[in-house]
Amino acid sequence: DVKVTQSSRYLVKRTGEKVFLECVQDMDHENMFWYRQDPGLGLRLIYFSYDVKMKEKGDIPEGYSVSREKKERFSLILESASTSQTSMYLCASSSDGASANYGYTFGSGTRLTVV
Amino acid sequence: KNQVEQSPQSLIILEGKNCTLQCNYTVSPFSNLRWYKQDTGRGPVSLTIMTFSENTKSNGRYTATLDADTKQSSLHITASQLSDSASYICVVSEGGYNKLIFGAGTRLAVHP
Repeated sequence: DVKVTQSSRYLVKRTGEKVFLECVQDMDHENMFWYRQDPGLGLRLIYFSYDVKMKEKGDIPEGYSVSREKKERFSLILESASTSQTSMYLCASSSDGASANYGYTFGSGTRLTVV
Repeated sequence: KNQVEQSPQSLIILEGKNCTLQCNYTVSPFSNLRWYKQDTGRGPVSLTIMTFSENTKSNGRYTATLDADTKQSSLHITASQLSDSASYICVVSEGGYNKLIFGAGTRLAVHP
């Protein structure tokens, strides 16, 4: 069974802290994605990566950065956490990008609260 | 602007009843349309994926339809169960740009 694993289900951090959200997939997928999900809004793309050491900005990259040193791992970094970044964060991976007919596989999500 | 609109925002039904969720989109060019189920506090799980040429696809008690001419899709749930309580998200893939456009979801509650 394919898996996308996010390291934490729940996180509580203080304003100004540097926060790392980790995502690991075991499907040998080239493509990995970070989204945030807020009530009443659809998932919004923060960053994505099509290859190791490659990254592209999504729709809302401000305040975030990413790292992909290995194919299976894609990290989201909040350089200086703010209360506006309190949200559910979802990682996903796919073999052929967004147009693939095989779909994405999502992780279980990390609910981050910044106080 | 490419958008995906879902209705209703929320729905309550009794166990055993059927229901239909709606999705309208303005995404162009279109590549495919997906329905996901998301349990509270969990990540979305794929139910169906349909391309332009497909107008219906089933996954157990879930049946999705697609009318690419009117840019509408529906998800029909038959003989609902308590475990169907979740959010259902419609997602359209924007062809050529490798981008997914997400609806805000319909929150379904199935009561005994």
